[in-house]
Amino acid sequence: AQSVTQPDIHITVSEGASLELRCNYSYGATPYLFWYVQSPGQGLQLLLKYFSGDTLVQGIKGFEAEFKRSQSSFNLRKPSVHWSDAAEYFCAVGGGFNDYKLSFGAGTTVTVRA
Amino acid sequence: DSGVTQTPKHLITATGQRVTLRCSPRSGDLSVYWYQQSLDQGLQFLIQYYNGEERAKGNILERFSAQQFPDLHSELNLSSLELGDSALYFCASSDLRGDTQYFGPGTRLTVL
Repeated sequence: AQSVTQPDIHITVSEGASLELRCNYSYGATPYLFWYVQSPGQGLQLLLKYFSGDTLVQGIKGFEAEFKRSQSSFNLRKPSVHWSDAAEYFCAVGGGFNDYKLSFGAGTTVTVRA
Repeated sequence: DSGVTQTPKHLITATGQRVTLRCSPRSGDLSVYWYQQSLDQGLQFLIQYYNGEERAKGNILERFSAQQFPDLHSELNLSSLELGDSALYFCASSDLRGDTQYFGPGTRLTVL
């Protein structure tokens, strides 16, 4: 069975500081990995995805994530956080071909202080 | 804007009632997925349809059902509603390749 763990429920970061959100997954085969962001009262917006190839992937809004197979991790990073990055972030894993349903982590809420 | 639309945005109803949530996928997308987001269960996959046929089923209660119509829009029907069904219901769609899901804004259901 596939599953995702996001160890940090809540992170507070100062504006301009760097941000790293942790994600660990469990999946029997090569996973498809995603990060989504949910702003208050909004839907889920895709930030980035990893299927194969280069293990460092770039996404929208200046975010990047690194896939580490040996650690079963897919951590999300941003070098300099803006106040508008305050939101809830979800890591998700899918199986790819013929198994596209997503399993989500519990989410990490990011608060940005001035 | 993902291109996925959901109506209504909010729905307030009473226990025991039945409601229908509607989803229109992105133009050209054949797959529709339904997810439930609740405080205690988080985001959970309910069901997937592909070009009108059920493709995968997740943690969907027997009181819930869905269908996808020839024009590819989908409806999620929730019946005999309970307080615990209060949640945000998301629809997502994906293209023929199916590897990336794009989410709608959600329908917030409140059962009183």
